Amino acid sequence: GDSVTQMEGPVTLSEEAFLTINCTYTATGYPSLFWYVQYPGEGLQLLLKATKADDKGSNKGFEATYRKETTSFHLEKGSVQVSDSAVYFCALDEKLTFGTGTRLTIIP
Amino acid sequence: DAGVTQSPTHLIKTRGQQVTLRCSPKSGHDTVSWYQQALGQGPQFIFQYYEEEERQRGNFPDRFSGHQFPNYSSELNVNALLLGDSALYLCASGRVQGSYGYTFGSGTRLTVV
Repeated sequence: GDSVTQMEGPVTLSEEAFLTINCTYTATGYPSLFWYVQYPGEGLQLLLKATKADDKGSNKGFEATYRKETTSFHLEKGSVQVSDSAVYFCALDEKLTFGTGTRLTIIP
Repeated sequence: DAGVTQSPTHLIKTRGQQVTLRCSPKSGHDTVSWYQQALGQGPQFIFQYYEEEERQRGNFPDRFSGHQFPNYSSELNVNALLLGDSALYLCASGRVQGSYGYTFGSGTRLTVV
């Protein structure tokens, strides 16, 4: 069945550092891919999405490119801020099969 | 424009009891999905409702059931509660036709004691 494997956390970075959170997937066909973010005590918010190969989703300085050849959708940000501290989930398709999440903490 | 509204926010139940959780979708959305999120885990898909029918279901027992009303709001019912049912229950709404991606509510924290 469909599955998502995410980089294990937690991840701790200094402010202005470069961020990469790895995500790979297993699925039949050509699923849509998503990154969701969950701030403490809140529900999930859609961060970005890509619906076909080579699409790049972007939002709030975050980017992820749908790589069909490597079945990956890695999340990147060039310069993280303290306010980016949250749990990040990679997910695929309309039924939203989620990864286990990566907790990110940014220290000033 | 209100987003997805879930009620109650917190709930404590005893093993063996039954519970009903409620969800009002975002305005303009016609499909509702429910997820269970255990502590430290990613959300697990329970089921999706569209046109008042269950359209897809995840790997959850029949103790988990739901309903969607004509106004698109939805209920999640769990019977014969187990300690392992303690989790954050998330509702997500979307449009079947249109852009991908769902809007999530803040969830209902269920504790079974």
